[in-house]
Amino acid sequence: EADIYQTPRYLVIGTGKKITLECSQTMGHDKMYWYQQDPGMELHLIHYSYGVNSTEKGDLSSESTVSRIRTEHFPLTLESARPSHTSQYLCASQGADNEKLFFGSGTQLSVL
Amino acid sequence: QQQVKQSPQSLIVQKGGISIINCAYENTAFDYFPWYQQFPGKGPALLIAIRPDVSEKKEGRFTISFNKSAKQFSLHIMDSQPGDSATYFCAASWSYQKVTFGIGTKLQVIP
Repeated sequence: EADIYQTPRYLVIGTGKKITLECSQTMGHDKMYWYQQDPGMELHLIHYSYGVNSTEKGDLSSESTVSRIRTEHFPLTLESARPSHTSQYLCASQGADNEKLFFGSGTQLSVL
Repeated sequence: QQQVKQSPQSLIVQKGGISIINCAYENTAFDYFPWYQQFPGKGPALLIAIRPDVSEKKEGRFTISFNKSAKQFSLHIMDSQPGDSATYFCAASWSYQKVTFGIGTKLQVIP
């Protein structure tokens, strides 16, 4: 079965701090995604990548940025966190010829 | 504009009953319709999926019914169990492109 890892699992930080949420997958998937989800609510796509050095903004506008320097790694960065960024962030990956999404367990971010 | 509309947003079913969640889509280019199941504190996981060339797909107690002309599809959970309590998302995509999700349905199965 596929493996996709997100760290940290929980993060509580103060306003104005810079943070990076990590996402790694061991399946060699080209496609990777970041979703934002408020508790028990809809999944909003905020970033995606179809391969190394390829990143696109998703359907929901976000102040975060992403990078894809290696196939297996897709980190998300917030330069200056605000309380409005408090949410759960889910990372997912997808194989080139397979529509199935594999999700990580998420990072629950709280900005005080 | 929501391309996949899901209802109801919450559902309470007694143990042993049938849970039914409905979705409707607008984009006729969609060619893959999955359902994802999410437990609290976890990411969603693929439960079952269907393509528009069939009207029904069954896996254990879970069945997708698909109506291409009405642009609707639904998830039926037979003999619902407390362990089925989770949030269910319908979704749609086409040609291996990014997935569009419904808003989710929180299912609670009570003993």
